[in-house]
Amino acid sequence: EAGVAQSPRYKIIEKRQSVAFWCNPISGHATLYWYQQILGQGPKLLIQFQNNGVVDDSQLPKDRFSAERLKGVDSTLKIQPAKLEDSAVYLCASSTGLSNNEQFFGPGTRLTVL
Amino acid sequence: GQQLNQSPQSMFIQEGEDVSMNCTSSSIFNTWLWYKQDPGEGPVLLIALYKAGELTSNGRLTAQFGITRKDSFLNISASIPSDVGIYFCAGQRSGGSNYKLTFGKGTLLTVNP
Repeated sequence: EAGVAQSPRYKIIEKRQSVAFWCNPISGHATLYWYQQILGQGPKLLIQFQNNGVVDDSQLPKDRFSAERLKGVDSTLKIQPAKLEDSAVYLCASSTGLSNNEQFFGPGTRLTVL
Repeated sequence: GQQLNQSPQSMFIQEGEDVSMNCTSSSIFNTWLWYKQDPGEGPVLLIALYKAGELTSNGRLTAQFGITRKDSFLNISASIPSDVGIYFCAGQRSGGSNYKLTFGKGTLLTVNP
């Protein structure tokens, strides 16, 4: 079974530029998550989708971050404009959406903002 | 936001030694999980704990869900070089369809062959 796919794996941009990340979850997984992992810290949830609806986006900086999962399958996360403090690994995870369901993580996209 | 206190921050041990790490929270979680993250990869689930007081093993790994539901520990016995990595605890407070995980800052484990 294929795992969670993310692209690109690495991205370097200058501050104030825009960037987008893509995630393709495990087939059949209803729930998709985006996490931000700053160096030396654990992942922090940015947004959770259940199918194409948002369940939790309380920690998403909505003035610059946006995410969508229009068809309930793959998802994109965008940052516009980027700040230096956005440098981090952005992890996508998916799960079946049932109770006690394991979240499977992708390899992440490492973003460096200069 | 919610913080989990994970300790120690790092450990350097000899192959064959046992290691223990723990996690505490100021509030209650319904589920405690332990993940391992290798460089350039996402976290991988090692053990999930669903009941207060539960003690669960997975090979050389043993984890416990604290009675107060505010803490958990992970033990690794007879460490081997491939145990190297960053170990994260995570708490989950399930409500409806919200499965948000709150992670600790991680324990970096180095095993000297």
